[in-house]
Amino acid sequence: NAGVTQTPKFQVLKTGQSMTLQCAQDMNHEYMSWYRQDPGMGLRLIHYSVGAGITDQGEVPNGYNVSRSTTEDFPLRLLSAAPSQTSVYFCASSYSKDSGNTIYFGEGSWLTVV
Amino acid sequence: GEDVEQSLFLSVREGDSSVINCTYTDSSSTYLYWYKQEPGAGLQLLTYIFSNMDMKQDQRLTVLLNKKDKHLSLRIADTQTGDSAIYFCAESILGVTGGGNKLTFGTGTQLKVEL
Repeated sequence: NAGVTQTPKFQVLKTGQSMTLQCAQDMNHEYMSWYRQDPGMGLRLIHYSVGAGITDQGEVPNGYNVSRSTTEDFPLRLLSAAPSQTSVYFCASSYSKDSGNTIYFGEGSWLTVV
Repeated sequence: GEDVEQSLFLSVREGDSSVINCTYTDSSSTYLYWYKQEPGAGLQLLTYIFSNMDMKQDQRLTVLLNKKDKHLSLRIADTQTGDSAIYFCAESILGVTGGGNKLTFGTGTQLKVEL
C-alpha cells in the first residue's frame, strides 16, 4: 500500500532548466493536487485535478504545468526554473471532492533552483 | 476570501500542555484539520473536526472549534520532546467552483518542547 508517491525527493536545478515532479497514487483517487510550501506562508495550491483529463489552476499556477492522462498520475512540470521556485512541493490526493477527511499527502519534494 | 492565520512560534516545557491556535475567515468551511510536519518530512494528518462539531478528543489531542469566532485550537496534553514539529491548521471548503477539496493552510506554528 504505497499511498501517494512523489519523486524525486531532492533536486537541484539551474535557472532556466525544466523538470517534472512525479506524483502517483494507488488508491484510485479522483482528486489530486500540488502544493508548494514556503517558510512563513504555509502551503499554497498550485494546480489540481478532479479526474483524468481535467485540471485547473490553484492559487499560484504561474511557471507550472500539469496534466492528468491517467487516474494514478499527476506530474508537475516546471517549464523554465527560476530561483523563486525553490520550495518544498507536496502532492495530495483524495477519493472525491467530498472526501474532506481522507486527504493523503506525499512525502514532499525539495527543490532548489540556483 | 479564504485566510487562515496562526502564530509562528510556541515554546513549552516537557510535560506541560500546549495550545496552538488558528483563526480562519471563511464561514463555509466544512472540515478543519491539524497536520504535523517533522523536520525534513511530509505532512501527517493528526486530527480533523467537522464544522458542525465543537470539540473532538483523541488521546492527548483535543480540538476545540468556536465557529462563531472562527477560531480553532489544538491542545496537546503532557507535551513530549517528540511533539516538537510544525503544526498546520487547514480548512476545506466543499465544491468551490468545482475545485473539490481545496485546502487552505495556515502559515504553521513551530512548537518547541524544552526539557
